[in-house]
Amino acid sequence: ETGVTQSPTHLIKTRGQQVTLRCSSQSGHNTVSWYQQALGQGPQFIFQYYREEENGRGNFPPRFSGLQFPNYSSELNVNALELDDSALYLCASSLDGGTYGYTFGSGTRLTVV
Amino acid sequence: AQSVTQPDIHITVSEGASLELRCNYSYGATPYLFWYVQSPGQGLQLLLKYFSGDTLVQGIKGFEAEFKRSQSSFNLRKPSVHWSDAAEYFCAVGSRGAGGTSYGKLTFGQGTILTVHP
Repeated sequence: ETGVTQSPTHLIKTRGQQVTLRCSSQSGHNTVSWYQQALGQGPQFIFQYYREEENGRGNFPPRFSGLQFPNYSSELNVNALELDDSALYLCASSLDGGTYGYTFGSGTRLTVV
Repeated sequence: AQSVTQPDIHITVSEGASLELRCNYSYGATPYLFWYVQSPGQGLQLLLKYFSGDTLVQGIKGFEAEFKRSQSSFNLRKPSVHWSDAAEYFCAVGSRGAGGTSYGKLTFGQGTILTVHP
C-alpha cells in the first residue's frame, strides 16, 4: 500500500503571497488532517476533512483553508502569507475520522521571506 | 481543553541503556494516546497507540508504553536503546467523538529529543 505523499517538499514564498500545498492520502483512507509544525515545536492541528467536508478545525485564522477531493486527496491553501507561517506542514490520513490511527506524510517545508 | 506535557526536552542515553520518555496528558475522558517519532526533516512515524483494553501497549522497534489513568501518564519505554533510535519523540492525545470515533484533532506535546552515545 502507498503511504501519504505531500508536494512540494520545499517552498519559498514572499510575504503577502498565497500558497497551495497538496496531499495524497494513503490508499483506502477517507480522512485527511493538516498540521503546522514550527521549528522546535510539536505539530498543531489546523483542520480535518472527512468525506470531502471539514469536520474539525484548530485555532487558525480563515486565511487557512482546505479542500478534499472525491479521491480523498487534499489541498491546504494559505492566503496573505505572514513570516510566522514559515513551518513544516504535515498531512495525515486515516480511516473513518481517525479511529484506527493516523499516517503522516513527510511534510512540506514552507519558508516565507 | 486537552493538553500534553513532555517534561524532558532533551535526554541523552548510552547505547544499550534503558529508556523512559515521560508523557502526561489532560483530557476529560478516556483518551486516545499515541507516540510518534520524527527524524530530522522528516514526517512522523507512529510507534504505538492506545485506544482501549490492555494498558501496556507494544509498538514497533521494541518500544512499549503504559497507560496509567490514575497518573494521567503514557510513558514510553525501551529496554535497550540503539544508536538508530536517536530522533525526536512526540506524545499525542486524540479526541473521542460521537460513537467512540475520533474527529481527528491530535494534540501534541513539545517533543523530547533523544541523543544516543556510543
